[in-house]
Amino acid sequence: DAGVIQSPRHEVTEMGQEVTLRCKPISGHNSLFWYRQTMMRGLELLIYFNNNVPIDDSGMPEDRFSAKMPNASFSTLKIQPSEPRDSAVYFCASSYQGLYEQYFGPGTRLTVT
Amino acid sequence: AQSVTQLGSHVSVSEGALVLLRCNYSSSVPPYLFWYVQYPNQGLQLLLKYTTGATLVKGINGFEAEFKKSETSFHLTKPSAHMSDAAEYFCAALNTGGFKTIFGAGTRLFVKA
Repeated sequence: DAGVIQSPRHEVTEMGQEVTLRCKPISGHNSLFWYRQTMMRGLELLIYFNNNVPIDDSGMPEDRFSAKMPNASFSTLKIQPSEPRDSAVYFCASSYQGLYEQYFGPGTRLTVT
Repeated sequence: AQSVTQLGSHVSVSEGALVLLRCNYSSSVPPYLFWYVQYPNQGLQLLLKYTTGATLVKGINGFEAEFKKSETSFHLTKPSAHMSDAAEYFCAALNTGGFKTIFGAGTRLFVKA
């Protein structure tokens, strides 16, 4: 099992640019989560999908953030336009209902200059 | 669970000493409880979990945790610390039937030679 795959691992971009983060969950998992981790705010849940449908996006900071899950094996988190305060490590995690624990990807470290 | 509190953002122990990381949750109904570990530049990975049954649960790398309903606690222990245990540890709770895992702020464990 390859685990949760995220790309890119590192992203450096300039303020105002569009950023797209990608995630491939573990095969067979039907729940997907996007988190953001910073020193100041810790681990924050941004959005949760179940069976490819967004269930709770109350953690999405503002309209500049959007997430999609077109199929069970792929999800994207987009920031447009990006700002320096978006700099953080973004994690994708997946789980299978009934097991409840989440499996995290390695994260994408985003730096916005 | 409404909140998860980890006592101590930093804990330092000597190699070979007992490791004790404290976690308390607030919930009227005992939730599912988890401990995750995060090594530098990696995602979180599950150490152990409590769902139902035996209140003392054993995890990977010699860690164990005990669920105490009367104290609303789920402290993590390891009898003898190893240098490789140096990492950040997160306690987390999930209400039964829910989807949103609540993470504590994390405790960074330092192991001195």
